[in-house]
Amino acid sequence: GNSVTQMEGPVTLSEEAFLTINCTYTATGYPSLFWYVQYPGEGLQLLLKATKADDKGSNKGFEATYRKETTSFHLEKGSVQVSDSAVYFCALSDQRNSGNTPLVFGKGTRLSVIA
Amino acid sequence: DSGVTQTPKHLITATGQRVTLRCSPRSGDLSVYWYQQSLDQGLQFLIQYYNGEERAKGNILERFSAQQFPDLHSELNLSSLELGDSALYFCASSEQGGPRETQYFGPGTRLLVL
Repeated sequence: GNSVTQMEGPVTLSEEAFLTINCTYTATGYPSLFWYVQYPGEGLQLLLKATKADDKGSNKGFEATYRKETTSFHLEKGSVQVSDSAVYFCALSDQRNSGNTPLVFGKGTRLSVIA
Repeated sequence: DSGVTQTPKHLITATGQRVTLRCSPRSGDLSVYWYQQSLDQGLQFLIQYYNGEERAKGNILERFSAQQFPDLHSELNLSSLELGDSALYFCASSEQGGPRETQYFGPGTRLLVL
């Protein structure tokens, strides 16, 4: 079945440090890939997405490239801020025969950025 | 604000009871999803509806049921509650339920079973 594996947290970085959160996936079809972010006490918000191989998603300084050859979708940001402290979820959506498309999530990576 | 609303925000109840969680999707979205977030299981898909019809089922217990009404709002019914049902329940919606679409999440209902 489909699955997502992302690096375990927590990750603690100083402000302006470089961030990488690794994400790899297993899928039977041609999935779309997503990064969602959950700020404390809030629901999930889409951060970025990519719907086909070699696509790069980007938003708010975050980037991730859909790599089919390595089945990866690593999240990167060049210079993190305290306001980026949150839990980050990698997810995939894979269309099955019946067209249903729930998201399969990784376990989440908690990021803490200290000033 | 995602445009998805969920009520109530918090719910405290006792084992054996039944509760109903309500979700209103974004205006124009036809597909609704329910997810459960717990510390041990992470984020798990429960069930998906599209325009009133069930489209997909995930790890939803038989004690749980859901429906989507003609006005597209959805309700998740949890019965014979157990301590382990304590979790955050999210509703999400998307336009047509397609794999490339963004799912927009509500703020969640936090359920505590005592």
